[in-house]
Amino acid sequence: QKEVEQDPGPLSVPEGAIVSLNCTYSNSAFQYFMWYRQYSRKGPELLMYTYSSGNKEDGRFTAQVDKSSKYISLFIRDSQPSDSATYLCAMSEGNAGNMLTFGGGTRLMVKP
Amino acid sequence: GAVVSQHPSRVICKSGTSVKIECRSLDFQATTMFWYRQFPKQSLMLMATSNEGSKATYEQGVEKDKFLINHASLTLSTLTVTSAHPEDSSFYICSARRDRGGFDEQYFGPGTRLTVT
Repeated sequence: QKEVEQDPGPLSVPEGAIVSLNCTYSNSAFQYFMWYRQYSRKGPELLMYTYSSGNKEDGRFTAQVDKSSKYISLFIRDSQPSDSATYLCAMSEGNAGNMLTFGGGTRLMVKP
Repeated sequence: GAVVSQHPSRVICKSGTSVKIECRSLDFQATTMFWYRQFPKQSLMLMATSNEGSKATYEQGVEKDKFLINHASLTLSTLTVTSAHPEDSSFYICSARRDRGGFDEQYFGPGTRLTVT
């Protein structure tokens, strides 16, 4: 069993839809939870991070962490074609500057 | 935002030769850089942690004699794939850690696509 599980998709939605992306994990020592966006043939870029359990909102993006269930989510409201990318969850026992464990990534396609 | 560059962006080499990939933090100093490997439609797998002025720490299963890492300055780390074989063909991505006194963040380079023929 992988340490971080993520549905690979692809997930195809119409423009304007609400997108829900999820990861589960097994290591209870993870404290920081990150979501990265990766366009094809590019390096990942950090979208959001959350420390411990709770919610965090940034514009159209909302990240949720439920440590009791070892489950994290990223919601994208009013999705745009420019949101089409692969979304990677990542976790670390320390902060994001330390070793990251990535999920496999979910490929999202937002159709106009 | 912080910028990390990689050079080259893609390289094709023959089996048995060596290839060097450079990772530079352009607008900040990075005492720690990381090297990842990504196969098609798969996630990033950490290969090694590179610390300026000291030996790299390799993850289990990564051959340190095959993947030579040198972090000679606070803005440059290099990965040399020695005696490359076709199975080394992959997307190699580096990241540089920016220390911010609280939430330290890794900034990723654009990646280097290596094809070994």
